[in-house]
Amino acid sequence: AQKVTQAQTEISVVEKEDVTLDCVYETRDTTYYLFWYKQPPSGELVFLIRRNSFDEQNEISGRYSWNFQKSTSSFNFTITASQVVDSAVYFCALSEAGDSWGKFQFGAGTQVVVTP
Amino acid sequence: EAQVTQNPRYLITVTGKKLTVTCSQNMNHEYMSWYRQDPGLGLRQIYYSMNVEVTDKGDVPEGYKVSRKEKRNFPLILESPSPNQTSLYFCASSLGGPTTYGYTFGSGTRLTVV
Repeated sequence: AQKVTQAQTEISVVEKEDVTLDCVYETRDTTYYLFWYKQPPSGELVFLIRRNSFDEQNEISGRYSWNFQKSTSSFNFTITASQVVDSAVYFCALSEAGDSWGKFQFGAGTQVVVTP
Repeated sequence: EAQVTQNPRYLITVTGKKLTVTCSQNMNHEYMSWYRQDPGLGLRQIYYSMNVEVTDKGDVPEGYKVSRKEKRNFPLILESPSPNQTSLYFCASSLGGPTTYGYTFGSGTRLTVV
């Protein structure tokens, strides 16, 4: 069963628009970790953020912000004032601390296309 | 430079011809893992290793083998490749486990099996 769902396959925006990427996860563990990675057209995977299940504070890093809500099992990612360089595939991932420790499950990814 | 190095970057092979994709990291990381990336499916874990001589199956281990004889190397072996193993493969490493430290990924190996 898919544990990480990224329902948006592709989002297209014009530069300077905001874009929000949805991530819904499923776990029975009380301790778990959520991640976002970026895959630009060059193909490498770049770590963006890690959040543990006990820390529901939202986080902002420059134009990026993350909204973690345990009540809805969501960890959404917003890019403010998007730029062409933000064009990439973005992956949400879940790592559980229980019996599944060591397994790291990615969502299917959301392609973001930012046009000038 | 701290990195995960995979080779080759591109590989075209024929069905049934054994191949090995190498992966090496220079960060003294204990944890290493292999993923395959397919359109619409994201990245799926093939195998992982928590230390030398310790390996375990991920979500899609069928048709693959791995070994971890040295800390720095974690090769992926396809004994008899089939066309459904055509994919983009990533090796990744983590200092003490991705849960705590996240992953450093290699640049990827695009494999085509004809």
